[in-house]
Amino acid sequence: SQTIHQWPATLVQPVGSPLSLECTVEGTSNPNLYWYRQAAGRGLQLLFYSVGIGQISSEVPQNLSASRPQDRQFILSSKKLLLSDSGFYLCALGTSGAQETQYFGPGTRLLVL
Amino acid sequence: GDSVTQMEGPVTLSEEAFLTINCTYTATGYPSLFWYVQYPGEGLQLLLKATKADDKGSNKGFEATYRKETTSFHLEKGSVQVSDSAVYFCALSAKIQIRGAQKLVFGQGTRLTINP
Repeated sequence: SQTIHQWPATLVQPVGSPLSLECTVEGTSNPNLYWYRQAAGRGLQLLFYSVGIGQISSEVPQNLSASRPQDRQFILSSKKLLLSDSGFYLCALGTSGAQETQYFGPGTRLLVL
Repeated sequence: GDSVTQMEGPVTLSEEAFLTINCTYTATGYPSLFWYVQYPGEGLQLLLKATKADDKGSNKGFEATYRKETTSFHLEKGSVQVSDSAVYFCALSAKIQIRGAQKLVFGQGTRLTINP
């Protein structure tokens, strides 16, 4: 069965510091991968998605970036964090087939101070 | 654009009560519809889904029917338990047109508390 790991579980970072959140998946090959953010007052929002190694698409402009260096690894980064980057970051895996279903990882809670 | 509107929360019920959480959507085409549940401090878990009109999704005693004529996907459960306390999200999938990728559009979530 498919498993999604996210690391770290919780992170407290100062404004202006860099960020790297990691998502790794098991039990599947060449999946579609997604980063969502859940922030107070803004609900759940798609940030990035990837359909393959090195293929990244952004849904909203921001100071975050994403990379997919390996088939089952998806990384969310920032060079300089803003207060508004605080939130709960969720990685999701899309199943293959005509009607995709997305399954979510345990999430990373980020607090920027 | 596509959107999902959920019943405002929070909702508080007694154990064994009947639950309905309303969800309506606006979309072009025929999206798949989902209910996800989030327990405190955790990620989202898929509760149930429906991929076409009149489909009924069901899981763990929860049900929802894809109603195209009313653009609704209301969540119901006949007898809730304390362990059902969580936040429930209704979502639709919007195709991104690249290799089957989908963008989930979520409602704002409904917090449910069940008292013993």
